[in-house]
This record gives sequence, structure tokens and C-alpha cells, in this order.
Amino acid sequence: QSALTQPASVSGSPGQSITISCTGTSSDIGDYNYVSWYQQHPGKAPKLMIYDVSNRPSGVSNRFSGSKSGNTASLAISGLQAEDEAEYHCCSYTTISTYVFGTGTKVTVL
Amino acid sequence: QLQLQESGPGLMKPSETLSLTCTVSGGSISSGRYYWGWIRQPPGKGLEWIGSILYSGNAYYNPSLESRVTISVDTSKNQFSLKQSSVTAADTAVYYCARRALMGRHFEYWGQGTLVTVSS
Repeated sequence: QSALTQPASVSGSPGQSITISCTGTSSDIGDYNYVSWYQQHPGKAPKLMIYDVSNRPSGVSNRFSGSKSGNTASLAISGLQAEDEAEYHCCSYTTISTYVFGTGTKVTVL
Repeated sequence: QLQLQESGPGLMKPSETLSLTCTVSGGSISSGRYYWGWIRQPPGKGLEWIGSILYSGNAYYNPSLESRVTISVDTSKNQFSLKQSSVTAADTAVYYCARRALMGRHFEYWGQGTLVTVSS
């Protein structure tokens, strides 16, 4: 199973909105609504931000939202803040009952 | 508050067997409502799911690693473990333990991670 494809980097100014894409196949993203997104600051463990494509865990800002179309999932961050600068990873459940992560996207707040 | 803490060797030589343990506090590994898993991240790279296990011992693995990996659980110590044989430099990574709900398909809680370096 190949890693899901994410852009290496995305940037935006404070207050702006950005979107990170995550492209898979019909054997993962395309077949299930089990896409999750994780935020990872340098030297820290990943933190769950979105699950089941568009659900936010308690405590996660509503500036973060998720969606999916076909084999591609997306994470949107609105009102970009300095604290949002981090690496973001997508993840999908697969048709063979395993999990595949994305290649990771570095978000820079200009 | 649930906490997961990895422990392991830090530095290993090629061909050795990696053994890592995740100690769970603030919750019981025997509750039956969660899967306990391992995920790794090579330096500067993305995350890779290794495998997961239920308290009963029912485990499943990433096919690319399955021939070298075994995950086990010790309910008496509230711990679960990873054994990975024949390590090479490509296995150098931060190894995380994590929990997902039985009916969920996402990883809710993560340990802080432990760096394992394979070098001769």
C-alpha cells in the first residue's frame, strides 16, 4: 500500500484560509469515510484534529474542517494563526483493514 | 487522563530484534473497547502504521512489516509490546504507541514517542 499523497508545503498569512489535499485510491479514501487528520509540532506526538472525514474531537477549534470528494480528502484551516504552524498528516482506513498515512504537509504561517 | 508511555533500547545494531513496551495509565487495557497500536516515523518522513492489538490478543499488521513484527499484550501490567526482528538502518524512527476506539478508525491518544536508532 502506497502512502497517500499530500503537498510538501502550504503557506498562508495570519487570518487567511488554507487547504491541504490528501489523495489516495479507491482502496482507501475512495471506499470509506474513515479519513483522519493529525497535527504535529516539531518534536511532539501527533494530535487528532479531524476524524471520519469531517468530525472534530472535543477541544479542537472549529477553524479546522475536513471534507472528501472521490479519492481525495481535504483539511481546511480558516483564520490562520501562528500556532497552526506545524506538520499535518492525513490517514485512511483501507479495504484490507489496515491504515495508510499521507506523506505529510508542512504548514507555514508567513 | 489517559497516558501512554513508550520505553525501549534507543540504540541498536543491524540484525538485532527491537523490543518496545507501551505502559498505559489512567485507563485499563482490558476494557475491551479499544485497540492498542504502534506507529513509526523515520526522521524527516511521514507516519507509518505498524499494527494494532485488542486486549484479547487479536492482532493485525501492516503487510509490509508483518513477517518481522509481533505485537502482544500483558493485561496484568497494563502494557502492550512490539517486537520487530532483523532490524536495519531503514527501521530507524520514532516509534509511537496509540489507542483507537473499537468502533473508530482513528487514533485518539498517542504516547510521546521513543527514538530508535539502528547503527553499526
